[in-house]
Amino acid sequence: EAQVTQNPRYLITVTGKKLTVTCSQNMNHEYMSWYRQDPGLGLRQIYYSMNVEVTDKGDVPEGYKVSRKEKRNFPLILESPSPNQTSLYFCASSQGRVLSPLHFGNGTRLTVT
Amino acid sequence: SQQGEEDPQALSIQEGENATMNCSYKTSINNLQWYRQNSGRGLVHLILIRSNEREKHSGRLRVTLDTSKKSSSLLITASRAADTASYFCATDTSGNTPLVFGKGTRLSVIA
Repeated sequence: EAQVTQNPRYLITVTGKKLTVTCSQNMNHEYMSWYRQDPGLGLRQIYYSMNVEVTDKGDVPEGYKVSRKEKRNFPLILESPSPNQTSLYFCASSQGRVLSPLHFGNGTRLTVT
Repeated sequence: SQQGEEDPQALSIQEGENATMNCSYKTSINNLQWYRQNSGRGLVHLILIRSNEREKHSGRLRVTLDTSKKSSSLLITASRAADTASYFCATDTSGNTPLVFGKGTRLSVIA
C-alpha cells in the first residue's frame, strides 16, 4: 500500500533531550516536506527536500534539522527541544514539486515539558 | 507566508444539504489544491485545479477558480456525516516555492 509512515505517533519528552521523528515513503517520491500544525496558525512548513541531499528551509525552520540521505527517508531532528515545539507534526511527499498532490503521514503529536 | 484564507472558519449543516467553502489568496498561482483532514489525522488530497481551469468536478465535489478575483470555492453536494472534517486550500505559486496552506474551514455535518 502506498503510504507515508511517521514514527512515533505520540511522543512526550523533556526540554533539551534530543529526539528524531522518522518519516518514510514507499512511492519513490522526489519531494518530501515537514509541517507543524498549531491551533489558529494552520499548517506551517518547517523544511522541505526536492531530492536526495537537497534540503531547504520552510517558514519555521528554527530549532529543527533534517537530512535526506536516501530518497525514501526524511527524518526530522530536534537537537534541543523546547516547549514551544509542542505541536502536531506531519511529513508529506509528492512525485514532484509541481502539479503533484501531497501525500501525508498520520502525524506525530509531540509534547515537550 | 499565509497565502490562502478559507471562509468561513466553521460551518455546520444538516446531512443532505450542500456545503460551500471559499478560499481567497493574494498572489498569482499556478494551481490551487483542496485537502481534507479528519480530526488529528493527516491531510488527504481532494482535487487540484490549474490556473487556466475554471471548474472541476470529482464525485460530489465541485471546485471553481476565479483568478481575476483570486478566489476558489469548494462545494460538497448532498453532504454526509462522514464529510465532517476540516478543509484546507493550498496555493502553488511556482515550482521553486512550497505549497502554502490556509487555516482551514471546520465542517460539521449533523445527521
